[in-house]
Parts: sequence; C-alpha cells; structure tokens
Amino acid sequence: QKEVEQNSGPLSVPEGAIASLNCTYSDRGSQSFFWYRQYSGKSPELIMFIYSNGDKEDGRFTAQLNKASQYVSLLIRDSQPSDSATYLCAGTGGKLIFGQGTELSVKP
Amino acid sequence: GAGVSQSPSNKVTEKGKDVELRCDPISGHTALYWYRQSLGQGLEFLIYFQGNSAPDKSGLPSDRFSAERTGGSVSTLTIQRTQQEDSAVYLCASSQSGRPGANVLTFGAGSRLTVL
Repeated sequence: QKEVEQNSGPLSVPEGAIASLNCTYSDRGSQSFFWYRQYSGKSPELIMFIYSNGDKEDGRFTAQLNKASQYVSLLIRDSQPSDSATYLCAGTGGKLIFGQGTELSVKP
Repeated sequence: GAGVSQSPSNKVTEKGKDVELRCDPISGHTALYWYRQSLGQGLEFLIYFQGNSAPDKSGLPSDRFSAERTGGSVSTLTIQRTQQEDSAVYLCASSQSGRPGANVLTFGAGSRLTVL
C-alpha cells in the first residue's frame, strides 16, 4: 500500500461547480498535510496545509482532515478553468510524501 | 537567494555517463528535499537533508544515486552510470523549519534529465 494515495482522475467539472479531491494515507504518525497544485510543465506550488482535524478554509479552497479515517480532502468552490491542473496531496510524519496526484479539468 | 535555484535546467546524456544536479536552496532554509517526477507521474521522494545530514536516504533508487549537502546550503545529486529509466525531472525543494515537513516546501524549477 502506498503511503499517500489519490485517485488519478482525470476529474472533470463544469465551471462554477465544486471540485472535490480526495486523499488517504497509511501512516498514523503523519501530523500535517499539504495540498499542492502543479500546472503542466511547472513545479508544484502550495495551496494550503492542515494540521488539525476538521475544516480549514482559504478563499475558494477548503481542506478537510479526518485523522481517525486517515483521510484528507480539498474542496474547490466556484471552480474556474484556471484551476485546471494536477493536485498533489502530501503528508508527513518525518519526510514529506506525495500522492500520485489528481488531474482536474474545469470546463467553461 | 530569492528562490530555490536548480541547475542545469536540462541535461541530455548518454547511457553510462555520470551526471551531477545542483540545488541552491532559499537562504536560511535548513531542510532540503530531492524528488523525482517521471512523465505523468507523482513526486517520488529520494532524500532529504536537515542541515548537512541526511536522516532519510530510503528513497534513493539504487547505489548509483548519491547526494550531499555542504555548508548547510548547496546540495548535489549525483547519478552514476546513468540508465534510460533515470530520465525524469529532478525537483529540489527547501523549507525553513528544523522539523522535516513541518513547514511549507518551496520548489525549484527542476532539472530535466534525458538519458539516451
């Protein structure tokens, strides 16, 4: 089992819809989780991070963490075509391990 | 520097040759990470440094891969006797915290390696 797993997608949503990206992790010692966005041919850039159980909101983005279920998600409200990218989930209990990424396509 | 700098940005080499990839992290960042990303794949962890020490080398694919960091700053990833499966983008990232992964990683633009 991979340490951090994501659905590879692609996930396609219409403009203005909510995109939901999911991630599970196997290491219960993982303490903090990060969502990165990677445009094609570019390096990953941070969207947000979360340490505590529950929700964390930043603009159109909401990260959710459930440590009991070992589950992290990212919701993108009012999705825009510019949100089309690959979204990488990462967790750490020591070293930062990334999932394989979920490709999101937002259709105008 | 203002950002994480990696060189070369592109490297084409012949199978069997050695290559060195360099990473210059953000000034003051104590943690430095190397990842590998093959085409269409996620980020594969290779190694991270805390200062000049490497607490975790478990991600290095084989003994052909080695890395070092000097002066708590610049790091070099060396691949000996390159193979075609080594072709990938090698990403370096650094972070401010002393605890690995506790803080945000800032990535460099990557070094694209092509082994013919």
